[in-house]
Amino acid sequence: KNQVEQSPQSLIILEGKNCTLQCNYTVSPFSNLRWYKQDTGRGPVSLTIMTFSENTKSNGRYTATLDADTKQSSLHITASQLSDSASYICVVTKGGYNKLIFGAGTRLAVHP
Amino acid sequence: KAGVTQTPRYLIKTRGQQVTLSCSPISGHRSVSWYQQTPGQGLQFLFEYFSETQRNKGNFPGRFSGRQFSNSRSEMNVSTLELGDSALYLCASSPDLTSGNTIYFGEGSWLTVV
Repeated sequence: KNQVEQSPQSLIILEGKNCTLQCNYTVSPFSNLRWYKQDTGRGPVSLTIMTFSENTKSNGRYTATLDADTKQSSLHITASQLSDSASYICVVTKGGYNKLIFGAGTRLAVHP
Repeated sequence: KAGVTQTPRYLIKTRGQQVTLSCSPISGHRSVSWYQQTPGQGLQFLFEYFSETQRNKGNFPGRFSGRQFSNSRSEMNVSTLELGDSALYLCASSPDLTSGNTIYFGEGSWLTVV
C-alpha cells in the first residue's frame, strides 16, 4: 500500500535549537519527495523537492535529505525561530500516475 | 506576481445543499489540482486538471466534481453535502502537470456543513 508516515506527530523545542523531522514512505514507483510548511489556517508553502538522485537539498535554515534505498527522508531545521512553528508535511509523488501522497504532518512548536 | 487565489475563503452550508469553490491559478500556470484537508484524514488529493481535462483523480465519491476553463481557472463542486465534507479545500497550481514541478497552494476555502 502506498503510504507516507511522519514522525514525530508533534514536537516542542526551544528557540535557537535544532530539530529533525522524519518521513518514511512505501510509495512505488517513486517520482519525487517534497517537504511543505503549513502555518495554521494557511495553505502549504514548498520548502524542497527532491528526485531519486538527490541526497540533500537546502532552503535557508531547512535541509532535507533523501535515502531512496531505505525510503526515508528527513527535514533538519537549524537555529529554530518562533516563526518556524507550523506543520511540516512530507509528500511523495507516485511515478506514472503523478499522484501526490501526503503524510499526516509533524506539528512543530517553537517556544521562547 | 499574484499567487493562487481561492474564493470564497469561508462558507457555511446545510446538509444536502451543493457548493461551488473557485480557484484562479498563478498567471501562466496550466495545471490546477484540488485537495481536501481535515484534522482526521490530513491532506487528500481530489483531482488535477490540465488544458481543461481531468488528468488525475483521487478516491472521492462522484459528488465531488470539478472543471477547468480555457483561462486555466478552475471550479470544484460538491453536491448533496454531508457533515463529513466540512474541511479546508485547497487549490494548487503548477506550470505543467504536477510530477516534477513545485506546486503552489492557495490559502484555501473553509467549508463548514451544518
